[in-house]
Amino acid sequence: EPEVTQTPSHQVTQMGQEVILRCVPISNHLYFYWYRQILGQKVEFLVSFYNNEISEKSEIFDDQFSVERPDGSNFTLKIRSTKLEDSAMYFCASNYHQGGEQFFGPGTRLTVL
Amino acid sequence: AQRVTQPEKLLSVFKGAPVELKCNYSYSGSPELFWYVQYSRQRLQLLLRHISRESIKGFTADLNKGETSFHLKKPFAQEEDSAMYYCALSSGGSNYKLTFGKGTLLTVNP
Repeated sequence: EPEVTQTPSHQVTQMGQEVILRCVPISNHLYFYWYRQILGQKVEFLVSFYNNEISEKSEIFDDQFSVERPDGSNFTLKIRSTKLEDSAMYFCASNYHQGGEQFFGPGTRLTVL
Repeated sequence: AQRVTQPEKLLSVFKGAPVELKCNYSYSGSPELFWYVQYSRQRLQLLLRHISRESIKGFTADLNKGETSFHLKKPFAQEEDSAMYYCALSSGGSNYKLTFGKGTLLTVNP
């Protein structure tokens, strides 16, 4: 059964460094999402992406964040200059139909030191 | 603004006992409600959604618009039901982002 994959599973970085989190959505899916979960808090929506552009972004998704679908398979989240408060679990999700079940990846744990 | 509240952070029951995980929502339109589950060391996965009105793994949930609730119920809990349960709301429109509650950790004791 196809699954969303994410790499790396754990990323440790220094404050101020750039990180790129990678996701491979399920191959025929059209809608892509990033969520994050700070330890002990709820899963929060960051951004949704469709037809090669952002369809919605949250207040969290400021100028430090960007997303890209550089080829037909990858969907990346870039944080330009990481802050301590960016430490969280980042989940990628995808679906085929708007409103359909969102399929989640296993997450990338980002630790900013 | 849309909000999902799960009042119980932890819920512990014995095997065979009924279980109810509470979820209340706040949204001015017609939401779509989901329950996602995360078993230990596994990814978030959909358990059920209100529009399908299915029973999955013995769980059911009914959308009560009057009480703005979508409680998850199972008459006889099993040990393998131990997991983190998240209630989520989708507002639809041009975007179907999910708004999650904080989650309830269910432990089913033998």
